[in-house]
Amino acid sequence: GNSVTQMEGPVTLSEEAFLTINCTYTATGYPSLFWYVQYPGEGLQLLLKATKADDKGSNKGFEATYRKETTSFHLEKGSVQVSDSAVYFCALSNNQGGKLIFGQGTELSVKP
Amino acid sequence: DAGVIQSPRHEVTEMGQEVTLRCKPISGHDYLFWYRQTMMRGLELLIYFNNNVPIDDSGMPEDRFSAKMPNASFSTLKIQPSEPRDSAVYFCASTDRLSGANVLTFGAGSRLTVL
Repeated sequence: GNSVTQMEGPVTLSEEAFLTINCTYTATGYPSLFWYVQYPGEGLQLLLKATKADDKGSNKGFEATYRKETTSFHLEKGSVQVSDSAVYFCALSNNQGGKLIFGQGTELSVKP
Repeated sequence: DAGVIQSPRHEVTEMGQEVTLRCKPISGHDYLFWYRQTMMRGLELLIYFNNNVPIDDSGMPEDRFSAKMPNASFSTLKIQPSEPRDSAVYFCASTDRLSGANVLTFGAGSRLTVL
């Protein structure tokens, strides 16, 4: 079946450090891939997405590239800020009816 | 639009009591999802609707859980009787194909504590 695996957290970084959160997936066909972010006390928000192989999603300085050959969609940011502290979820959809399958989430804490 | 509206934001109840969680999706969205979030199990899809019809309820844990969508602007998730292991944050989300299927808009969640 379809599944998403993320690197375990929590991840603690200093401000302006480089961020990578690994995400790999298992799916049949050609899924769409997503990163959602959850700030404390809030619901999830879409951060970025990619719908086909080699697509790069980007938003707010975050990037992720859809790598079919390695079944990965790693999230990166060149310089994190304290305000980026949140839980990040990788997700996939096989485009059947909008159903999303989420990874377990990775908590990021950025210290000043 | 005010986004996806969930109520109550917090609920504390005793084991055996009935719990009803409510959701108002974004106007015009034809898909509605109920998710449960716990530390142990992460985000789990419980059930989702398309045009008010339940499409996939395979994630509903057991018969104590039920969900309805009587019209396009309202859905409920009911737990009867509640148990301590039901303690979690329950999220409602909605989307439509025109805005990009799978781009879900989530509510702020309902935090349930069952004592």
